[in-house]
Amino acid sequence: DIQMTQSPSSLSASVGDRVTITCRASQGIRNDLGWYQQKPGKAPKRLIYAASSLQSGVPSRFSGSGSGTEFTLTISSLQPEDFATYYCLQHNSYPPWTFGQGTKVEIK
Amino acid sequence: QVQLVESGGGVVQPGGSLRLSCAASGFTFSSYGMHWVRQAPGKGLEWVAFIRYDGSNKYYADSVKGRFTISRDNSKNTLYLQMNSLRAEDTAVYYCAKDSSWYGVDDPWGQGTLVTVSS
Repeated sequence: DIQMTQSPSSLSASVGDRVTITCRASQGIRNDLGWYQQKPGKAPKRLIYAASSLQSGVPSRFSGSGSGTEFTLTISSLQPEDFATYYCLQHNSYPPWTFGQGTKVEIK
Repeated sequence: QVQLVESGGGVVQPGGSLRLSCAASGFTFSSYGMHWVRQAPGKGLEWVAFIRYDGSNKYYADSVKGRFTISRDNSKNTLYLQMNSLRAEDTAVYYCAKDSSWYGVDDPWGQGTLVTVSS
């Protein structure tokens, strides 16, 4: 099984900050990775697919990069509505499809 | 627009059974694979099961293999998850989601249905 290691597990940031979250795969997964945002009590919402493609309707301050084993989600200028938990998910080698452990972005 | 609506959650005793449903609309259900994903209280997301568009292949997480069965009725645009021999650790919100073939688990997901396993 492919393991996804996400870091950090949590971070505190201020509105306007640049935020970076990383996912590392235990083996190469090409660009078969998505990033999801989840707010409390809500279903996850996909932000990025194919590692770097922006989901329709998602603000351009979100971006993804990486290929192989290391991937990054960047929020260029954190907004109040971005405080949430973020997950990566690989779909290269399955089953299982595997999520990262999540990164909770909190207000500083 | 794509809509997924889960139902069937509730409180069940350990060892009991429950069947979840996911009603799909706004897309050609019979053309897409479907997933179940769960989230235990205060925990992260865990993929549970997948079924191909025609039901020909089914995959399960090790944690539910042999106890849970995923199925679908393309004539009713509905996905199911039959859960047997339930354990306390199966307590979670269960979400259904569409697969986008090349791009993994797609948007939107359903709103989720809560399953609580407790005596």
